[in-house]
Amino acid sequence: EVQLLESGGLLVQPGGSLRLSCVGSGFTFSSYAMSWVRQAPGKGLEWVSGISGNGGRTFYADSVKGRFTISRDNSKNTVYLQMSSLRADDTAVYYCAKPCSDGWYWIDHWGQGTLVTVSS
Amino acid sequence: IVMTQSPDSLAVSLGERATINCKSSQSVLYSSNNKNYLAWYQQKPGQPPKVLIYWASTRESGVPDRFSGSGSGTDFTLTISSLQAEDVAVYYCQQYYTTLHTFGQGTKLEIK
Repeated sequence: EVQLLESGGLLVQPGGSLRLSCVGSGFTFSSYAMSWVRQAPGKGLEWVSGISGNGGRTFYADSVKGRFTISRDNSKNTVYLQMSSLRADDTAVYYCAKPCSDGWYWIDHWGQGTLVTVSS
Repeated sequence: IVMTQSPDSLAVSLGERATINCKSSQSVLYSSNNKNYLAWYQQKPGQPPKVLIYWASTRESGVPDRFSGSGSGTDFTLTISSLQAEDVAVYYCQQYYTTLHTFGQGTKLEIK
């Protein structure tokens, strides 16, 4: 059974930093690109960042480019999202997401999400 | 690619048809394989989204056949043929044509 378990969500002050982690199990982690998708309270889904299976290619939404960094450690089946210069509009539930197969396709598994709150 | 859904919200009577539209700012049809890189998701309160449809019209395993997807290029539709109470949710389209997988803003579906 595929499982994605996020952690690291906290209350952080504006301008602060935070690192989210997502541990995957039940699939060959290194074979899959992974993504982070966020959802602000009461709002829609926003794709934030993606990383290829070997970590060689990374992609970011314009809203986070230059502030967020995605990375992965395939030996630990973990993908990370390093967030810096956090703003109030970064407040959201952050979901870790796995595509249906290797490559950049639709998401077939999601974590339960971790809440990041940016507030003073 | 910007994805725009309509309407933002929709109220339909039980047993009636619900139709949600999604328009992309550029085509998501990949000419080399003639596939539309478009998925539909359902999200219920307090839960992560769940994929319903991919390749614009292929139903995910286990999804009831009252859900169907259609369209090509830039214009797509999700249809629920006979609304059930458990279909109350927010529905999102998403393009995966580019590596920046943008979502529509969502359509909230309620019972009339």
